[in-house]
Amino acid sequence: GDSVTQMEGPVTLSEEAFLTINCTYTATGYPSLFWYVQYPGEGLQLLLKATKADDKGSNKGFEATYRKETTSFHLEKGSVQVSDSAVYFCALSNAGNMLTFGGGTRLMVKP
Amino acid sequence: GAGVSQSPSNKVTEKGKDVELRCDPISGHTALYWYRQSLGQGLEFLIYFQGNSAPDKSGLPSDRFSAERTGGSVSTLTIQRTQQEDSAVYLCASSLEPADRYNEQFFGPGTRLTVL
Repeated sequence: GDSVTQMEGPVTLSEEAFLTINCTYTATGYPSLFWYVQYPGEGLQLLLKATKADDKGSNKGFEATYRKETTSFHLEKGSVQVSDSAVYFCALSNAGNMLTFGGGTRLMVKP
Repeated sequence: GAGVSQSPSNKVTEKGKDVELRCDPISGHTALYWYRQSLGQGLEFLIYFQGNSAPDKSGLPSDRFSAERTGGSVSTLTIQRTQQEDSAVYLCASSLEPADRYNEQFFGPGTRLTVL
């Protein structure tokens, strides 16, 4: 079945540092890929998505590119802020429509 | 507009009791999903409703779990004879029609269930 693997956290960075959170997937067919974010005390919300190979999703300074050849969808941000501290989930949606999530990566940004 | 709402926000129950968790999707969203977020298992899919079609129950962990959706809107997830391993945050999500791999799912705040 489909699966998503993302780097374990926590990831601790200083403000303005560069962020990469790795995500790889296993799936048949042509899934869509997503990054969801869960801020402290809040619900899951979509950060960005890409629906086909080589698409780049972007939002709030975050980017991720759908790489079919490496089955990856790594999340990047050039300069993180304290307000980016949250748990980030990589996910895919395939023929069944439900989301398959990675284990989540906690990001802590220190001033 | 209003987002997905869930009630109660917290539920503490004793082992062996039945519980009901409620989800109100975004108005006009015909697809509704239940997920569970637990320390040991991460975020996992439970069940999916799409319009009048038969629900996809492939993620339900046991026959103690069931869900229904009345009138194509509100959904109730029922856990019978709760066990301690059922302790988790239960998340509901909804999306526009057609529910497919492209459409964003909007999540509610969740119900935190604690089984003593």
